[in-house]
Amino acid sequence: ERVMTQSPATLSVSPGERATLSCRGSQSVNSDLAWYQQKPGQAPRLLIYRASTRATGIPVRFSGSGSGTEFTLTISSLQSEDFAIYYCQQYTIWPWTFGQGTKVEVK
Amino acid sequence: EVQLVQSGAGVEKPGEPLKISCKSSGYTFTDYWIGWVRQMPGKGLEWMGVINPSDSQTTYSPSFQGQVTISADKSISTAYLQWSSLKASDTAMYYCTRRGLGSMSGVGDYWGQGTLVTVSS
Repeated sequence: ERVMTQSPATLSVSPGERATLSCRGSQSVNSDLAWYQQKPGQAPRLLIYRASTRATGIPVRFSGSGSGTEFTLTISSLQSEDFAIYYCQQYTIWPWTFGQGTKVEVK
Repeated sequence: EVQLVQSGAGVEKPGEPLKISCKSSGYTFTDYWIGWVRQMPGKGLEWMGVINPSDSQTTYSPSFQGQVTISADKSISTAYLQWSSLKASDTAMYYCTRRGLGSMSGVGDYWGQGTLVTVSS
């Protein structure tokens, strides 16, 4: 099983600031990496797939980068609705696996 | 509009069987696989398995193989997740999700609202 490790566990950011979240794979996942956002009481929402492609309707302030084992999700200017938990997920090999999540909270 | 609507939350007793559902609309049900994802209280997300509704081919995560059964009824565009004998450790939120196509083939592009299963005596 491919283990995905996210850092930091919690990120404290002020509205309007930039947030940078990291995801590392135990082995290469090529570019088969997705990012999701989950707010309390809600289902996950797909943000990014193929490491850097925004899903339909996702604002341009969300961007993804990386390949192999190192990936980054950047939120360029945090809005109030962006405070949530973010998960990365690899889908290069079954079982597809998620990272443990990064909580983005208000500083 | 693509929608996945799951059955409601419930409190179940240990040892009892349970089957929860996920009804899809707004797209051709047999064109997309459906997956199930578990989220235990306060924890992260885990893929349990996926099913191809067109032929009911299923693939389970090793962690869930033999623990649950995933099925689908294409005549009513509905996927199911079932247990033969619940345990307290099955207490969790369960999400169904539509597996994307092409370069999105390993991601959940649309999600149900979740079904909270609580197992308690």
